[in-house]
Amino acid sequence: NAGVTQTPKFQVLKTGQSMTLQCAQDMNHEYMSWYRQDPGMGLRLIHYSVGAGITDQGEVPNGYNVSRSTTEDFPLRLLSAAPSQTSVYFCASSGGTFRGLRNTEAFFGQGTRLTVV
Amino acid sequence: RKEVEQDPGPFNVPEGATVAFNCTYSNSASQSFFWYRQDCRKEPKLLMSVYSSGNEDGRFTAQLNRASQYISLLIRDSKLSDSATYLCVVKVRYSGGGADGLTFGKGTHLIIQP
Repeated sequence: NAGVTQTPKFQVLKTGQSMTLQCAQDMNHEYMSWYRQDPGMGLRLIHYSVGAGITDQGEVPNGYNVSRSTTEDFPLRLLSAAPSQTSVYFCASSGGTFRGLRNTEAFFGQGTRLTVV
Repeated sequence: RKEVEQDPGPFNVPEGATVAFNCTYSNSASQSFFWYRQDCRKEPKLLMSVYSSGNEDGRFTAQLNRASQYISLLIRDSKLSDSATYLCVVKVRYSGGGADGLTFGKGTHLIIQP
């Protein structure tokens, strides 16, 4: 029962490098989102998607791109890493129904700890 | 004013005690309410939904006061394993059909002491 799978779990980047954080869910959820979590700041929404082909910006989108070509995958791209992007990143998904009612529970991946030096 | 506010704590509580924390939200159009639990260096997981009439799950009781725009979580007979950060989460339905977004509080850190 995979749920939400995030890779990698840990990553160190040099300033200016680019990389993609992968997120995949196998629950056929329409809604997926990326958050970053920093000490004292809580979870902040970066980007979200309400379905394949549809994405939108959250609270802190600068420096990140996303795409949603399939229902299952929602990768997050860092275009040119900066030390301010050192954080823990969580992907989450929600959707579907449970006993005929819309399911509102969000399922999170295990997180990616990113350090930019 | 922040959308979801919580006392960050930490709350240091002896094992077996009862502890309660509140959370206030600013958007009166908020539709759904939850408590999530996050263990150190782990992902958040749903603890319980919060219903208008209040609801209980074992040692945990959640209540919602729409008039005052706050929700609460009560933990009775606290266990060492209850040590975690508790996130207050509010959902407001966006326009565009089927699009739901979660707003998280910064969390309340609970430490149960033996």
